[in-house]
Amino acid sequence: KAGVTQTPRYLIKTRGQQVTLSCSPISGHRSVSWYQQTPGQGLQFLFEYFSETQRNKGNFPGRFSGRQFSNSRSEMNVSTLELGDSALYLCASSYHGGPSYEQYFGPGTRLTVT
Amino acid sequence: DQQVKQNSPSLSVQEGRISILNCDYTNSMFDYFLWYKKYPAEGPTFLISISSIKDKNEDGRFTVFLNKSAKHLSLHIVPSQPGDSAVYFCAASPSGSARQLTFGSGTQLTVLP
Repeated sequence: KAGVTQTPRYLIKTRGQQVTLSCSPISGHRSVSWYQQTPGQGLQFLFEYFSETQRNKGNFPGRFSGRQFSNSRSEMNVSTLELGDSALYLCASSYHGGPSYEQYFGPGTRLTVT
Repeated sequence: DQQVKQNSPSLSVQEGRISILNCDYTNSMFDYFLWYKKYPAEGPTFLISISSIKDKNEDGRFTVFLNKSAKHLSLHIVPSQPGDSAVYFCAASPSGSARQLTFGSGTQLTVLP
């Protein structure tokens, strides 16, 4: 079974621009969560989507948004990029059923804002 | 305010010996705990989890212990192997937001041959 895939793997953007990152979950997984990893703040939860609906949101400004499509693929968008948005963005998928809380992560998208 | 803390940024262990990684949490609402392993340039890989109704869970060489009264959990790896060298993160989740994980800062484990 293929794992979580994220595109692109690397991205360089300029301050003020916007960016869209994509995530394809493991087949059969309907829940997708996004995390930001930075050296200073570590791994932080951004938001979770299930059935095309945002279920939870972390403590991030409104510039960070996301969506999920009917095939469970998800995108996240960051508008008006700031230097501090430079980070590894990780997507995780999980099977939304039963007691399993385990999430399976993709390799991440490394975003650099200059 | 760090709700999940891993106070040891690094740990070195000899091959074949036991590795013990520790994690403390402050939020009493957490009731599910997970350990992840991360290699450079890869996403975290799920290792093992434990529910708050248990105090121990084993999976092969990996055992997680949970002490709810102390708000402490630990991951034991026995025996340690060089391929175990990676950054280990503990994570916690409250039952109402099962997929909203709060991560610790990670511990770099180095297993020396």
